Amino acid sequence: AQKITQTQPGMFVQEKEAVTLDCTYDTSDPSYGLFWYKQPSSGEMIFLIYQGSYDQQNATEGRYSLNFQKARKSANLVISASQLGDSAMYFCAMREGPGMGRLYFGRGTQLTVWP
Amino acid sequence: DTAVSQTPKYLVTQMGNDKSIKCEQNLGHDTMYWYKQDSKKFLKIMFSYNNKELIINETVPNRFSPKSPDKAHLNLHINSLELGDSAVYFCASSQEWAQPQHFGDGTRLSIL
Repeated sequence: AQKITQTQPGMFVQEKEAVTLDCTYDTSDPSYGLFWYKQPSSGEMIFLIYQGSYDQQNATEGRYSLNFQKARKSANLVISASQLGDSAMYFCAMREGPGMGRLYFGRGTQLTVWP
Repeated sequence: DTAVSQTPKYLVTQMGNDKSIKCEQNLGHDTMYWYKQDSKKFLKIMFSYNNKELIINETVPNRFSPKSPDKAHLNLHINSLELGDSAVYFCASSQEWAQPQHFGDGTRLSIL
């Protein structure tokens, strides 16, 4: 079974609008961390936001927020006030348990912001 | 003041050759990783080292051999390159498990 599922291969949003990118995860470990990364066309991986499994509040970082629904095992990324520069591939990832384990990545969502 | 740097950025070579990719981090992190991103953009772990000790060794052909001379460096050597090795290889590092992994800019390997 896939650890991370991103069901939206592509999403389109108009500039200044908000957009939600979906992510569901699968783990039986009570301790885990969820991460979102952005990969623009230039290719680098940019960390956006982190949510720990025990965090009581949803994470926020500037225009990025994470809609964390633990019972549903979902960790959706919300981008408010989209900008043209937000056009990129977005990856959801998970690390299980304490320890220096690997990141499991989803297959990504290609976001296109149009004027 | 690049945090995680990989060299080279591009690598074009012929089938059967041997090549290396170097990675260095100046963040003081104890753990480093190699990931492979395929043509469909899927990222998958290959190896991980913690303080020069191999801790993750995924199902990767043994033509791939990581080497960590010290905790700031993790190199990837690939023998007898095959067409299917064409991909982008990312190096990453992290310190605490709850902290994000910092990625290098990637090395795009193309096999002719």
